[in-house]
Amino acid sequence: AQSVAQPEDQVNVAEGNPLTVKCTYSVSGNPYLFWYVQYPNRGLQFLLKYITGDNLVKGSYGFEAEFNKSQTSFHLKKPSALVSDSALYFCAVTMNSGGYQKVTFGTGTKLQVIP
Amino acid sequence: DVKVTQSSRYLVKRTGEKVFLECVQDMDHENMFWYRQDPGLGLRLIYFSYDVKMKEKGDIPEGYSVSREKKERFSLILESASTNQTSMYLCASNPSTGGIQPQHFGDGTRLSIL
Repeated sequence: AQSVAQPEDQVNVAEGNPLTVKCTYSVSGNPYLFWYVQYPNRGLQFLLKYITGDNLVKGSYGFEAEFNKSQTSFHLKKPSALVSDSALYFCAVTMNSGGYQKVTFGTGTKLQVIP
Repeated sequence: DVKVTQSSRYLVKRTGEKVFLECVQDMDHENMFWYRQDPGLGLRLIYFSYDVKMKEKGDIPEGYSVSREKKERFSLILESASTNQTSMYLCASNPSTGGIQPQHFGDGTRLSIL
């Protein structure tokens, strides 16, 4: 079975400060990891993914995430937060197991950037 | 740009009604999904389809059915709506490429069952 944990329901950060949204995962093989963002009354939008290769991946809107296999983590980061980054963030994991690959989503972390 | 369109943004129905939620994607994706989103529970998979007329149960299929008669359209059916099915419903699609491509989501249907 695979699972994703987002340990913080909400993260508050001041505008201009660095932000981190945490994600840990559990899979029996090599993971594919994703971050999505959801703005109010909208669907999820893809931010970035880790499939293989460089552990640091860069995505949309200046976000990046670091894959850490030993800690089974994939934390989302941004060097300088904007008020417009305030949204709900979801981490997701799947793996290449042949056939359909089920995606498991975390419960989401609400990011509040304070002006 | 991939577009996933859900037919209704808001829907109010009564207990016992049969409810249809429609989803259309315009990128010829093989896979389509229905999720429900509830606060504190994240996204839970109801059903998915990997081809026309093919469907697989997700984690919470009870009380729901689906239909995929054409590749671009995936319908979610609440056979007899109940108040515990009040939720946000999200449709998504992606190509069948071994799980490396992200899912593309519609804007959701907020369904209230009275």
